[in-house]
Amino acid sequence: AQSVTQLDSQVPVFEEAPVELRCNYSSSVSVYLFWYVQYPNQGLQLLLKYLSGSTLVESINGFEAEFNKSQTSFHLRKPSVHISDTAEYFCAVTTQGGSEKLVFGKGTKLTVNP
Amino acid sequence: DSGVTQTPKHLITATGQRVTLRCSPRSGDLSVYWYQQSLDQGLQFLIQYYNGEERAKGNILERFSAQQFPDLHSELNLSSLELGDSALYFCASSLPPAEQFFGPGTRLTVL
Repeated sequence: AQSVTQLDSQVPVFEEAPVELRCNYSSSVSVYLFWYVQYPNQGLQLLLKYLSGSTLVESINGFEAEFNKSQTSFHLRKPSVHISDTAEYFCAVTTQGGSEKLVFGKGTKLTVNP
Repeated sequence: DSGVTQTPKHLITATGQRVTLRCSPRSGDLSVYWYQQSLDQGLQFLIQYYNGEERAKGNILERFSAQQFPDLHSELNLSSLELGDSALYFCASSLPPAEQFFGPGTRLTVL
């Protein structure tokens, strides 16, 4: 069975500071990895995904994540955050070739302060 | 807008009652997934349907059931409701093995 650990439940940062949200996963088979973002009172939006190929994936709004197979990690980073990035971020995993169900971490609440 | 629609947005009901949550997937997606989000359990996978057939089952209670219809919309039926069933219920759709797109959710409150 797969599992996802998001090491920080809350991350407060100041505007324009860099941020890293950590995600580690456990799986005995190859996986696909995702980051979803949830703004207050909204649904989940896909931020970025790793399916195959380059281990560094980027989103259109400046976030990036790097798949590290040896460390079983998929940390999310942004070099300079904005107030509008305040949200909850969920890391998720699904297995290649198996059930497509997503297994989520418990989420990291990112708060960007002025 | 993900293209996945869910109705109703909010549902308030009493213990012991039965409710039905509805989901319409994105055009072209064959799979529908149901997830429950609660403060204590986080986001939990309940069940997946693919082109009308049940494909995977997660932590879904026996009091809960789902189906996917020929037009690919799906319904999640929750019966004998308990206080602990209060949660956000999300539907997602995909054309496997691609990423899942989530609807806005149905917030269920059981009083």
